[in-house]
Parts: sequence; C-alpha cells; structure tokens
Amino acid sequence: NAGVTQTPKFRVLKTGQSMTLLCAQDMNHEYMYWYRQDPGMGLRLIHYSVGEGTTAKGEVPDGYNVSRLKKQNFLLGLESAAPSQTSVYFCASSDRGLGNEQFFGPGTRLTVL
Amino acid sequence: DAKTTQPNSMESNEEEPVHLPCNHSTISGTDYIHWYRQLPSQGPEYVIHGLTSNVNNRMASLAIAEDRKSSTLILHRATLRDAAVYYCILFDAGGTSYGKLTFGQGTILTVHP
Repeated sequence: NAGVTQTPKFRVLKTGQSMTLLCAQDMNHEYMYWYRQDPGMGLRLIHYSVGEGTTAKGEVPDGYNVSRLKKQNFLLGLESAAPSQTSVYFCASSDRGLGNEQFFGPGTRLTVL
Repeated sequence: DAKTTQPNSMESNEEEPVHLPCNHSTISGTDYIHWYRQLPSQGPEYVIHGLTSNVNNRMASLAIAEDRKSSTLILHRATLRDAAVYYCILFDAGGTSYGKLTFGQGTILTVHP
C-alpha cells in the first residue's frame, strides 16, 4: 500500500496563477482532508470530504476549491494564487469510526511569488 | 471546540523516559484525547488515543487523569528518532465532527545523544 500520496512535492507560482494539488489514497477511506501549515504553526483545516461527491469548508477555506469525484482522490485548487497562500499543504484520510486515525501524505511545499 | 494546552518545548536525553503533558480542562464527555507527532519535513503521524482509561501501544503510553482534565504521553525510552513536534488534540466523537482534528502549536521535543 502506498497510503496517502500527494502531487506535486514542490511548486512555485506567480501571483494570479492557478494550480491543482492532487491527493490520492489507496486505503478505501471515506473521509479526506486538506490542511495547510505555515512556519512554526500547527495545521489548519482548509476543506474536507466525508464521501465521494461531497465537500465541506474547514477553518480557512477562502481562496481554495476542492473536488472529490472519485473516492480515492481529493483535489485542492487555487484559482488565483496569492503570496498569503505560500505554505506546506498536507492531505489526510481516515475511515469512519471513533478511533479516527488520520493518515497524512508527505506534503506539498508551495511558494507564491 | 475544547482546547488543549501544552508546553512549547521539552528536552530529553536518549534512552530516558519522556513525559509530555497536556491540559484540557474544558474536555467534554464525548471528547477523545489524540496524540500525533510530526517529524521534521514530514506529515503528522498518529501516536495514540484514549477516552478514559490509560492506553499502551508499541509507540507510547497515554496516561489520562481521573477527571480527564489532563493527560500525559509517555515515551518509555526516547531515541533520536523521537525528536518531533507532539500534538495533543481533542477529537469530538459526538455529533457531526466527521473526524476533523484541530491542531494547536504542539510541544517541540528535543532528544540529546
């Protein structure tokens, strides 16, 4: 099992450009999440999904859109990148249940100039 | 959401036990206590969780106070690989939390050889 994978690992954008981050999991998990982590900070939830075809806003959703067309994939889009979106982005997945162990991907380091 | 309070940093020597404290005085009856850790340049990884009773697994032990207002993560013999940021998180298993986790700033653990 690959677990949770993220593409790309690094990216540099200019202000106003758009891009999509891809998260894939092979554990058949129902729930998927996108977080961002700024230097010296804990993770903050951007958007999440509780199943194929569903998405919901997290703590810091502005400037981002997401889609979950397939159960194993969760896409995070930036329509018009801003320097404030420079961050490390982590994807995670978990199954239903009280234990809710979340499995995290390796992260995508995004710099917006 | 109920909050947790952790020390900003702690230090330990290799092969000694480490006790990482967490205060959560506003914990509710349906809140589970979760611990994650984040090694440098990696995504967080699950360590352990519990509700009321003390818990042990291959990575660590979790000691929960009788009133549940505090808990302690115990690493029985610290190694250099245990140097990481440790997050204590309350997970609300009631209602419609959908597995969402709220990360604080965590405790930076330094392990000296």
